[in-house]
Amino acid sequence: DAKTTQPPSMDCAEGRAANLPCNHSTISGNEYVYWYRQIHSQGPQYIIHGLKNNETNEMASLIITEDRKSSTLILPHATLRDTAVYYCIVMYSGGGADGLTFGKGTHLIIQP
Amino acid sequence: GAGVSQSPSNKVTEKGKDVELRCDPISGHTALYWYRQSLGQGLEFLIYFQGNSAPDKSGLPSDRFSAERTGGSVSTLTIQRTQQEDSAVYLCASIQLGWEDPRTGANVLTFGAGSRLTVL
Repeated sequence: DAKTTQPPSMDCAEGRAANLPCNHSTISGNEYVYWYRQIHSQGPQYIIHGLKNNETNEMASLIITEDRKSSTLILPHATLRDTAVYYCIVMYSGGGADGLTFGKGTHLIIQP
Repeated sequence: GAGVSQSPSNKVTEKGKDVELRCDPISGHTALYWYRQSLGQGLEFLIYFQGNSAPDKSGLPSDRFSAERTGGSVSTLTIQRTQQEDSAVYLCASIQLGWEDPRTGANVLTFGAGSRLTVL
């Protein structure tokens, strides 16, 4: 079973910030939170990751709660091309030690 | 190679036939995963190879499914006596265990484009 839970779908208006939540209440101390997204049926692509500090890159920001039991991916100015399925997973530093389990993710739909 | 390569990209077969799907991971990546994604569903873990260790086959849905990884590189997923419910996109991914990007600290699972299997 996936170690993360996400809402199945979300809508966001184009140009607004999209905030995608993820719960990972059983995360262990040395597990990172990784976010991927999948457009159509292409392979998922990496967006961002973090351990306990908030992170930002050219694609998105990641906010991790102090207890690390949940996180939020923020797309600051969503565009139509951001419509995709977003997956949140947890992974040990240096890579997964076992089968990395993806849940069903969140289908983000950007509305024009 | 520069990325994870999968073949064929599309395969249409008749029920009861055997199919082989190939994955060529990124050179040097020690771990390789197979996932299955049915229409509108998430990624279903199938099997995991790590170096010379015995593969984790816990996700294979039935004994009609098998996979091997020869020489620690190319992997083949075989589905025997295909059924209509086997229709899905089969995704392969690889990762270099124990390594982190010096700039970002990330260790990214890199996926191939997938093989779309349709069983008639």
